[in-house]
Order: sequence, then structure tokens, then C-alpha cells
Amino acid sequence: ETGVTQTPRHLVMGMTNKKSLKCEQHLGHNAMYWYKQSAKKPLELMFVYSLEERVENNSVPSRFSPECPNSSHLFLHLHTLQPEDSALYLCASSQDIGTVALGELFFGEGSRLTVL
Amino acid sequence: AQKITQTQPGMFVQEKEAVTLDCTYDTSDQSYGLFWYKQPSSGEMIFLIYQGSYDEQNATEGRYSLNFQKARKSANLVISASQLGDSAMYFCAMRERSNSNSGYALNFGKGTSLLVTP
Repeated sequence: ETGVTQTPRHLVMGMTNKKSLKCEQHLGHNAMYWYKQSAKKPLELMFVYSLEERVENNSVPSRFSPECPNSSHLFLHLHTLQPEDSALYLCASSQDIGTVALGELFFGEGSRLTVL
Repeated sequence: AQKITQTQPGMFVQEKEAVTLDCTYDTSDQSYGLFWYKQPSSGEMIFLIYQGSYDEQNATEGRYSLNFQKARKSANLVISASQLGDSAMYFCAMRERSNSNSGYALNFGKGTSLLVTP
């Protein structure tokens, strides 16, 4: 139990569907992140939120839309995805951002997304 | 350009033996942090160990130690007395102060798959 919970754990969707991934952290952290993990590629940072404000959008296509209603919850809304978007989507949180030493990220178990 | 390089896609080690997982990094910053994470088949990324660029001593956490060679820009993970439960993917990561695109998060390597055999 890491304190970061992601749902659903597995999701299969068609290219015309709209779905959402949910992340919840129980650690009292101020920063939350979405990462994408594709096969044989390094983890790719997608979005960073600090105190519910988006501080980074790492050139992610608009078919991915993040939402952070409060510091404990982070969503990733998905629509008109492509098969190449199939991957493991990992949510993470940290106490704060901006300080190198405070780099410890706590990850959820990920949402395995398959786009048909 | 790849910031973190892990040259070993897969490694085998016998139970109770020690194993070293390689990691080299690329940065022009003086202040940075290096991390190792373990990812079992469940998918969760588990933090193992942290080394700050100004730390003079190698970091240790239980059976994990980080062999930090700053001049060579390497941060190898050493696992002593391997256990069957150590079988997983291992990722090296770096956080830099001046990376304006990802200044708030970690850059990860491609990972090394470790298999511990009885």
C-alpha cells in the first residue's frame, strides 16, 4: 500500500470512446504527476500539478485531458485515442515540487490501457 | 538526448549473490538527484534509494547501495544477498534543477529486468 490508488487497473476502449483514469493520494502531498510507460521506452512525463495548478504539459496531445479538482485527486480524461496510446499510465505524487532533494515520488500501480 | 542510460536490458543472478545494475547519466547541472525504483509485475513503482549530487558518501538502504562515481557520471545499484522477491524491473532516474521542461519530475532510464534464480 503506497498511498496512491489508481482506478481502473485495466481499461479497454475503442478509438471513439471517452473514458477517464482516476488517481487518489492519501499522503497529504502537494504535487501529482501522470506518466506514460510504453513497452521498451523510458517513462514519459505527461503532466505535473502543484497545488491543483498545472505546472507542466509535456507536449501531450489534446486527446489526453488532465484534471486536478483538489490536491488529493487527479484525473486523466481520454477521448478519440489511437492504438499507439496503449500503455501503462502511472500516477505519482510527491510532497512538493521544485527542490531536487525532494524527489521521492510515490507511484500508484498504474492503469493498463488498451486502445482497439 | 537520453539523460539516463541503462545498458543492461536483462540480468540474471543466483539467490544470495550480489548483483550490480548499471546506470550512467548526462547532466551539466551541479545540483541533481539520482534515484532507483523497482517495478514488480504488479506495475507499482517502488522507491529504493536516493543519492544527492553533493552527498560525499554512497547511499545505502538495507540491502541496496548506490555506487556513486560523480566524475564518471555513474550511479550503479548494488543489491546484496539477492532474494527471489527481487525479481523485477529496475529503473534509474534523475532529477535536475535546471531542466526547464521537466524541472519538477524525474527522467527515467529504460530499465533493467532482473531475474533471481534459486
